[in-house]
Amino acid sequence: RKEVEQDPGPFNVPEGATVAFNCTYSNSASQSFFWYRQDCRKEPKLLMSVYSSGNEDGRFTAQLNRASQYISLLIRDSKLSDSATYLCVVNNYGQNFVFGPGTRLSVLP
Amino acid sequence: EADIYQTPRYLVIGTGKKITLECSQTMGHDKMYWYQQDPGMELHLIHYSYGVNSTEKGDLSSESTVSRIRTEHFPLTLESARPSHTSQYLCASSELKPIEETQYFGPGTRLLVL
Repeated sequence: RKEVEQDPGPFNVPEGATVAFNCTYSNSASQSFFWYRQDCRKEPKLLMSVYSSGNEDGRFTAQLNRASQYISLLIRDSKLSDSATYLCVVNNYGQNFVFGPGTRLSVLP
Repeated sequence: EADIYQTPRYLVIGTGKKITLECSQTMGHDKMYWYQQDPGMELHLIHYSYGVNSTEKGDLSSESTVSRIRTEHFPLTLESARPSHTSQYLCASSELKPIEETQYFGPGTRLLVL
């Protein structure tokens, strides 16, 4: 079993839709959680860190459930420019970052 | 924007050549990493460093080597390039900080070995 697992995707949604991505992690000692976005043939870019209380940045909302070892990302009113692969990333201080396999999103006109 | 740079951005080279991929960051980060990623596939960690004179092998076995003589510089070397080395190589860095440690990536080097 992989240390970080994500919805397999791809997700094909119309513009304006709300889409939710799920991620689970197996290491209960994990301390830091992130969502990265990666466009085709580009480097991953930090989308948002995920805090225990949940956090929101514009159309993006991230939630963390430590008890269930589960992280989610919600995108509201999706835009064509949201099309990308979304990577769930988990870290334990002093260890290496563990990347999930990614979930690809295509927002269709 | 992350201040982490990679050169060259694209490299086409023949089999058997020695190549060095450069990575530098101006954020003073302690930890640096090299990942390999094929198109549409997952990231694989091949090397990392905790600081000057520290180098470690990652999860994916690689024929490349790295060095860390200066904090800001983490070059990756392939002594004899082969077609199987064709891939995208991504450098990253992070500052060792409990809870807040965040990783930033360079733009990558796309390598094609003929």
